[in-house]
Amino acid sequence: DQQVKQNSPSLSVQEGRISILNCDYTNSMFDYFLWYKKYPAEGPTFLISISSIKDKNEDGRFTVFLNKSAKHLSLHIVPSQPGDSAVYFCAASALRSQGNLIFGKGTKLSVKP
Amino acid sequence: EAGVVQSPRYKIIEKKQPVAFWCNPISGHNTLYWYRQNLGQGPELLIRYENEEAVDDSQLPKDRFSAERLKGVDSTLKIQPAELGDSAVYLCASSPRGDRGIGAFFGQGTRLTVV
Repeated sequence: DQQVKQNSPSLSVQEGRISILNCDYTNSMFDYFLWYKKYPAEGPTFLISISSIKDKNEDGRFTVFLNKSAKHLSLHIVPSQPGDSAVYFCAASALRSQGNLIFGKGTKLSVKP
Repeated sequence: EAGVVQSPRYKIIEKKQPVAFWCNPISGHNTLYWYRQNLGQGPELLIRYENEEAVDDSQLPKDRFSAERLKGVDSTLKIQPAELGDSAVYLCASSPRGDRGIGAFFGQGTRLTVV
């Protein structure tokens, strides 16, 4: 049973517009949520995270929103750029599992010029 | 600062043969992870080390997989014998103790193809 779900395998967005990537989770013990970006033939790279005590974290063009009651988080990229084209993974961790990361299947973002 | 280094980048072997992957984590990172990523999936944890101690190997198929982290620095992951279903990307990652907000730093991975 998947604990972290990214239900959209792909997303296509025009350059300059907003990209919204969604993630749902089932385990209420998760207390940290992270987004990773992955280019082909490279390992995942940490992008941004949010603690469960917050509902929003912003870093430049990237903002992550957390809705604990809905067990849902989203990553907003504004404005989107062609270089943002990559696979984005949502990951979660729980203190009781010593911080091991549980990943979703990823969403492939394509930003068209 | 050098990142997580893995070798080899690619490996093609015949089934039933052994294979080994090597990882050098970021200097000073106590925690080291081995993940496996199948095509179209996210990374899945195989084993986690705190220094030289394997603190979570519950997802490691112990009949054919083994790992070690001598002296709490470099690590090797071995498969013997390899099966067709082991074809995947094997990712090593490391993290400093304490800051869960930054997650783990990943290497480029080793793409294993078993034929």
